[in-house]
Amino acid sequence: AQTVTQSQPEMSVQEAETVTLSCTYDTSENNYYLFWYKQPPSRQMILVIRQEAYKQQNATENRFSVNFQKAAKSFSLKISDSQLGDTAMYFCAFGSSGSRLTFGEGTQLTVNP
Amino acid sequence: DAGVIQSPRHEVTEMGQEVTLRCKPISGHNSLFWYRQTMMRGLELLIYFNNNVPIDDSGMPEDRFSAKMPNASFSTLKIQPSEPRDSAVYFCASSLRQSQETQYFGPGTRLLVL
Repeated sequence: AQTVTQSQPEMSVQEAETVTLSCTYDTSENNYYLFWYKQPPSRQMILVIRQEAYKQQNATENRFSVNFQKAAKSFSLKISDSQLGDTAMYFCAFGSSGSRLTFGEGTQLTVNP
Repeated sequence: DAGVIQSPRHEVTEMGQEVTLRCKPISGHNSLFWYRQTMMRGLELLIYFNNNVPIDDSGMPEDRFSAKMPNASFSTLKIQPSEPRDSAVYFCASSLRQSQETQYFGPGTRLLVL
């Protein structure tokens, strides 16, 4: 069974600064997908970014980028130029063929003005 | 596309009553997932369907919970009878193919059982 671990329950960052959220996972699969979801106070689950394991290039979406280290089974999320609207719970998730999506425990990020 | 649609958005009921949550997945998606989120247990997968067929219901907590997907555009999650410990936010999500594709979540139904 796959496991996903987010070791930082809470983090804070000043507006306009950069912050990195950590995620590690454990799997014996070779082909899989990794995701970061954001859950603001509205409770809506919003996809932030997605990475296919077979791709060596790290995914980027505007201010959001990942550092995917397949050998280390690490998948961190970097948020540049943090904005107040980035305040949310962030979930790392793992998916592979034929299995359910596995979520981490979440990291509560607070962006301070 | 309207995204995943869930109704109701909020539900308050009394213990023992039947509760039905509804979900309309994104058109063209053939996998549908029901999740429950609580402070104590985080985000839990209850059941998922592929092509309207239940694939894995091992996350359904008890026989009081049941889920159906009569067609590709509609699913229900029913709790009968409801209990206070069922209070949670229930999410529906859909994707093109199980976990290989991105799951898109609905806004959730916030359920409070008194």
